[in-house]
Amino acid sequence: DTGVSQNPRHKITKRGQNVTFRCDPISEHNRLYWYRQTLGQGPEFLTYFQNEAQLEKSRLLSDRFSAERPKGSFSTLEIQRTEQGDSAMYLCASSLAQGGGYEKLFFGSGTQLSVL
Amino acid sequence: AQSVAQPEDQVNVAEGNPLTVKCTYSVSGNPYLFWYVQYPNRGLQFLLKYITGDNLVKGSYGFEAEFNKSQTSFHLKKPSALVSDSALYFCAVRDLNYGQNFVFGPGTRLSVLP
Repeated sequence: DTGVSQNPRHKITKRGQNVTFRCDPISEHNRLYWYRQTLGQGPEFLTYFQNEAQLEKSRLLSDRFSAERPKGSFSTLEIQRTEQGDSAMYLCASSLAQGGGYEKLFFGSGTQLSVL
Repeated sequence: AQSVAQPEDQVNVAEGNPLTVKCTYSVSGNPYLFWYVQYPNRGLQFLLKYITGDNLVKGSYGFEAEFNKSQTSFHLKKPSALVSDSALYFCAVRDLNYGQNFVFGPGTRLSVLP
């Protein structure tokens, strides 16, 4: 169990640029979640995958955001035409869902995005 | 819709004293409730969960939480606080009527003073 890995740890970009983040979940985990966290707030759900299928997306996820999980392994989150309001910590979590709805999440350390 | 409230931004407690971090929730169905802890520069870590059964749930690092259905609360407790417990604590709820996502509260910063 090497944990959930996120890259890069920090990303500084100019408004209007595109950025992509990567998440490597724990290898046997079938679910992968993306959350966004701003200062003083709890994580806000963005989207989740069951294996390679993206099953749920938050209304927070505008059409500038896209996420993929090819082959049910790592995942990428891309933000196009970044805005200053996109500045936040982007968290990835994975879990092993076996039915029941009470699996625990394993979080990565996050990618801190700053849009100038 | 499901929601979580943590009424205290900050809780201060002296080392060795009992601690309580409060959480209330709102769901339409049966809640699955969780506590996570975030240490500086670390990812959130699972502490404990309530699914069903005994209202007192025991978790990692000596923490426990009490589920109270009538008060829709799930307060986190520890009989004797350690300085190393100082961290940010998040309560979370999952209501499968609204999907598979977990809804987190805003967090409570716990400071244990030596």
